[in-house]
Amino acid sequence: RKEVEQDPGPFNVPEGATVAFNCTYSNSASQSFFWYRQDCRKEPKLLMSVYSSGNEDGRFTAQLNRASQYISLLIRDSKLSDSATYLCVVNQGAASGSRLTFGEGTQLTVNP
Amino acid sequence: EPEVTQTPSHQVTQMGQEVILRCVPISNHLYFYWYRQILGQKVEFLVSFYNNEISEKSEIFDDQFSVERPDGSNFTLKIRSTKLEDSAMYFCASGVNTGELFFGEGSRLTVL
Repeated sequence: RKEVEQDPGPFNVPEGATVAFNCTYSNSASQSFFWYRQDCRKEPKLLMSVYSSGNEDGRFTAQLNRASQYISLLIRDSKLSDSATYLCVVNQGAASGSRLTFGEGTQLTVNP
Repeated sequence: EPEVTQTPSHQVTQMGQEVILRCVPISNHLYFYWYRQILGQKVEFLVSFYNNEISEKSEIFDDQFSVERPDGSNFTLKIRSTKLEDSAMYFCASGVNTGELFFGEGSRLTVL
């Protein structure tokens, strides 16, 4: 089983649509969780951290279910600029400098 | 806005040659990382560095790889004898904690 697993997509949605991405992780001891986005041939950029209680940042909502080892990202009112690859990222341990493990990413294209 | 800077942006080298990739992390950050991404594949962890020593390294980070923080600002990745399969984009990242990382724009390494 992959450490971090995502549906690779691609997702093609019209502007204004709501789209949801899912992610599962295999290590139940994982401590913290994030969504990053990566534009084509660019570096990953932090989109948001994911908290147990769920959290929202504008049009973006992230949720975590530790029991199911499942993370989600919801994007409402999609914009053309949301087109990117969305990376589910898990911090495997609690030690200082522990690795972040990246999923393979879910590709989103928002169409006019 | 402070950023992580990497040089060179692209390096072409012959198999068996030594390569040094350089990074200047954000100045008040404590955690430093190298990741790599082979074209079309996921972002892979190589090594993390905290408190002037390696915190964690992956299976990829074998004896051919080394990291140094020779002064207060630079963080370097050295590959002693490059192989064809080392061709990838190498990303340096830094952070004040172990999850919310800022990535440089990457150094593309092509091994011929």
